Amino acid sequence: GAVVSQHPSWVICKSGTSVKIECRSLDFQATTMFWYRQFPKQSLMLMATSNEGSKATYEQGVEKDKFLINHASLTLSTLTVTSAHPEDSSFYICSARDGAGTSRYNEQFFGPGTRLTVL
Amino acid sequence: GDSVTQMEGPVTLSEEAFLTINCTYTATGYPSLFWYVQYPGEGLQLLLKATKADDKGSNKGFEATYRKETTSFHLEKGSVQVSDSAVYFCALSDPTSGNTPLVFGKGTRLSVIA
Repeated sequence: GAVVSQHPSWVICKSGTSVKIECRSLDFQATTMFWYRQFPKQSLMLMATSNEGSKATYEQGVEKDKFLINHASLTLSTLTVTSAHPEDSSFYICSARDGAGTSRYNEQFFGPGTRLTVL
Repeated sequence: GDSVTQMEGPVTLSEEAFLTINCTYTATGYPSLFWYVQYPGEGLQLLLKATKADDKGSNKGFEATYRKETTSFHLEKGSVQVSDSAVYFCALSDPTSGNTPLVFGKGTRLSVIA
């Protein structure tokens, strides 16, 4: 149980285009999802926290108009990188928490990541 | 605020060697503690977890004990394999808040050589 999927697993796009990354909780309802960015050989950097049906909360320094997050259902959140540029190339990872509160650990379950390369 | 400090590595070991990756934390409440593992090119996988003092989490030969007196959650394995080569992240969670994300350490890269 507690599987999180991401799609696509990798994407290459031209500078100036927009890219949408989907994050799905497959066997649980995720009222809260998190989006991270990871640079090579570095730790995860939290970009934003999204709650189903409400606006995402962005971390300081993350451009909300650049990285659009939508959490329209209890099993799906999307991250859209708008007008992508080479500096947006990175590994993007989503994570979800079981909204039913069935886990006393309050752990997060992670997707496999999406590698974005902007040419 | 809450924080996690772990040895940064990289750590290079020979196969069958003993592994310890230190992790200490600061938290105002009683956090849940986790070790996640990230294999090359992949997302994070939960390795083990513990929710209260003296709990021992274990999985795949790895162990970690929640030590409240020393605020530590060190990861150990008695005999590492080449397939254990990965980055290991120590993390904590406030069990009372569903909106607060995990607090991660910076990660420790482990390389095991045959």
